Amino acid sequence: AQKITQTQPGMFVQEKEAVTLDCTYDTSDPSYGLFWYKQPSSGEMIFLIYQGSYDQQNATEGRYSLNFQKARKSANLVISASQLGDSAMYFCAMREDYTGRRALTFGSGTRLQVQP
Amino acid sequence: DAGVIQSPRHEVTEMGQEVTLRCKPISGHDYLFWYRQTMMRGLELLIYFNNNVPIDDSGMPEDRFSAKMPNASFSTLKIQPSEPRDSAVYFCASSTGSQLKYQETQYFGPGTRLLVL
Repeated sequence: AQKITQTQPGMFVQEKEAVTLDCTYDTSDPSYGLFWYKQPSSGEMIFLIYQGSYDQQNATEGRYSLNFQKARKSANLVISASQLGDSAMYFCAMREDYTGRRALTFGSGTRLQVQP
Repeated sequence: DAGVIQSPRHEVTEMGQEVTLRCKPISGHDYLFWYRQTMMRGLELLIYFNNNVPIDDSGMPEDRFSAKMPNASFSTLKIQPSEPRDSAVYFCASSTGSQLKYQETQYFGPGTRLLVL
């Protein structure tokens, strides 16, 4: 079974609007971390936001927020006030902490295109 | 502060040749990861080190791949002999081993784009 599922291969959003990128995960570990990374066309992987499984509040970092619904095993990324520079691939990833394994498991990504 | 440094940024080689990719992690980070990105398989872990010791190499495709970390500031990923199916972007990432999980965020290098002809 896929550990990280991103069901939206591509998304379009108008500049200045908000957009939600979906991510669902599958783990039996009681402790885990969820990450979102941005990969622009230049290819680098840029860390955006982190949510721990025990965090009581949804994570926020500037225009990025994470809509964490633990019971539904979802960790959707919300980008508010989209900008043209937000056009990129976005990857959701998980680290399963209970086993002590430090590696990330990535989803297949969502390509976001912001239209003027 | 310098981020993760990888070299070369681009590599074109012929099938059968040896390829060596290099990585310098962020100073003070004690975890180093090698990932590979392809269209077919996405981003996948190859191997990771903690304090220069390989911890998990379950993602290394086969014996043609090897990785070393001789010291805290340098790691190599070697492919010998290379094959066309090794064409991919290879990322190196590093993180700290803090008890504060947030501080274990992995920071990625710019990647090495490898093309094997």
